Amino acid sequence: AQSVTQLGSHVSVSEGALVLLRCNYSSSVPPYLFWYVQYPNQGLQLLLKYTTGATLVKGINGFEAEFKKSETSFHLTKPSAHMSDAAEYFCAAYSGGGADGLTFGKGTHLIIQP
Amino acid sequence: DTGVSQDPRHKITKRGQNVTFRCDPISEHNRLYWYRQTLGQGPEFLTYFQNEAQLEKSRLLSDRFSAERPKGSFSTLEIQRTEQGDSAMYLCASRLTGGEQYFGPGTRLTVT
Repeated sequence: AQSVTQLGSHVSVSEGALVLLRCNYSSSVPPYLFWYVQYPNQGLQLLLKYTTGATLVKGINGFEAEFKKSETSFHLTKPSAHMSDAAEYFCAAYSGGGADGLTFGKGTHLIIQP
Repeated sequence: DTGVSQDPRHKITKRGQNVTFRCDPISEHNRLYWYRQTLGQGPEFLTYFQNEAQLEKSRLLSDRFSAERPKGSFSTLEIQRTEQGDSAMYLCASRLTGGEQYFGPGTRLTVT
């Protein structure tokens, strides 16, 4: 079964600093991978996705992620954090094969220090 | 494109009561999903529909839970004989085959 692990339930960075949120997946078949953001009392918004092709994926709001098969990782980065980036971030995987629901990690709460 | 909508946004109920939530997907989306999210956790898949057919159910979906999508448009999720452990955010998502899932704002259920 697919599983997704997010390292660090809370990450704190200073405004303007690099953001790095970690995600590892477990699967014998390279999955489709996603990063979602959730603001308080709201649903999830897709930041970016990896399906096939280029392993460096660019998303909205300046975020990007790199799929590394050898490390089974899909870490999310942003060069310069902004106060508005403070939110909950979820990594998710979909491996197809008849199992159509997304498997989510537990989430990482990103805190931006002024 | 008005997005995925869910109703109600908040529901407080007493243990043992039945509750029903509604989800209206993006109009042309043929697939509809229900997830449950408890505090401090990521969403957990419950079930999904392709048009009106319910194609997959998680083991989390006990026999107290039932979902329908009668005409392949909106969907309802009913919980019978609610328990305190059912308190959670219930999220609905929809997509076209091959596309990404778009999530609604969720219904927050509190069972007292």
